[in-house]
Amino acid sequence: SQKIEQNSEALNIQEGKTATLTCNYTNYSPAYLQWYRQDPGRGPVFLLLIRENEKEKRKERLKVTFDTTLKQSLFHITASQPADSATYLCALVLQTGANNLFFGTGTRLTVIP
Amino acid sequence: DTAVSQTPKYLVTQMGNDKSIKCEQNLGHDTMYWYKQDSKKFLKIMFSYNNKELIINETVPNRFSPKSPDKAHLNLHINSLELGDSAVYFCASSQTSGGEQFFGPGTRLTVL
Repeated sequence: SQKIEQNSEALNIQEGKTATLTCNYTNYSPAYLQWYRQDPGRGPVFLLLIRENEKEKRKERLKVTFDTTLKQSLFHITASQPADSATYLCALVLQTGANNLFFGTGTRLTVIP
Repeated sequence: DTAVSQTPKYLVTQMGNDKSIKCEQNLGHDTMYWYKQDSKKFLKIMFSYNNKELIINETVPNRFSPKSPDKAHLNLHINSLELGDSAVYFCASSQTSGGEQFFGPGTRLTVL
């Protein structure tokens, strides 16, 4: 069956450290992968998109990697801040079909001051 | 200006009722979506709508129907509401199918 799993439901990290979130998928062939941030009571907000032929993407303190062999994406937040505390969602867009997003289970990140 | 807006923000209703949730986007996007987020926070696509082409997730009951009066609006109608329909429903839009999506604030539906 098709699955998109994010490494842990919750992750606590000390302020200033690098947070690393994992997204693993099985039985999908994604064309690209997106990461979103969701705060309580709000809709998801787009952060980064990485294509299948790209290894790495950066945006300010954020970095995403995409390994289609391992079927895995890593999402890094460097120099983490309490304001980074939120739920982070990965989402796949498939190579065929309607190009809809298929979301992972999410990781709730808490950055401790 | 709000990019993607939904009304109402909260909706409490009895089982068996019919209800609608409205969605509007002012981004000029061609594709709009409806998602359901359950109590475990899992976000699942229900519909996508692009240039009058509707793509339905096969797991969505036919009690749910999207209606698009124009490119900027995609409303969600739900007939014969059931307890299991209780969730947060998000509308979203994107400029291109599969591209970055902009989400609305969500509508929390509670069926009693």
